[in-house]
Amino acid sequence: QVQLVQSGAEVRKTGASVKVSCKTSGYTFIDHYIHWVRQAPGQGLEWMGWINPKAGTTNYAQKFEGWVTMTRDTSITTVYMDLDSLKPDDTAVYYCARAAPADYYAMDVWGRGTTVTVSS
Amino acid sequence: SYEVTQPLSVSVALGQTARITCEGNNIGSKDVHWYQKRPGQAPVLVIYRDTNRPSGIPERFSGSNSGHTATLTVSTAQAGDEAHYYCQVWAINAVVFGGGTMLTVL
Repeated sequence: QVQLVQSGAEVRKTGASVKVSCKTSGYTFIDHYIHWVRQAPGQGLEWMGWINPKAGTTNYAQKFEGWVTMTRDTSITTVYMDLDSLKPDDTAVYYCARAAPADYYAMDVWGRGTTVTVSS
Repeated sequence: SYEVTQPLSVSVALGQTARITCEGNNIGSKDVHWYQKRPGQAPVLVIYRDTNRPSGIPERFSGSNSGHTATLTVSTAQAGDEAHYYCQVWAINAVVFGGGTMLTVL
């Protein structure tokens, strides 16, 4: 079955960076975009951007331009989300999600989330 | 930037029908997707492209979209449907989520 398995929880200090991985399996890796979405405590869902695993191209939300980087390693069907210059406001659960077959912008399978905690 | 607005909360009696709205300028011209989000769990896609149910989603979940309002309808509401629901569109080169609606089943 389709699975997205994310790396474990991270704790960082303000100004540091974090890299979250998302290992995919159960489908053809290059056929589906991967989105990254975060949810801060008590807040709603916030889209960060997507990566096209086939070409490696990306599309970042304007808010994250310049401080998020999404990459992939096709040999191990894994995508990565790198966020730098962290602030306490970046404390959140970070999810990777597969784009649905019927629509690039719907997300049909999600990872369980990675909690990132940023302390000052 | 494009914005979509959801009510903060909707309540429904057990077994009755709940309707959660998602308002946006001419949202009827866009594809709307809906997610169910329970605390401590990943979101689940319940409706895509306005009216379509992914496999495994009960028929009690349905959607519509016209004019400036998209609607998620939960029929015969059950206790297990209590969750936050988020609408989502693609607009101006970005994914946009609504702020989320807490559905309470009384």
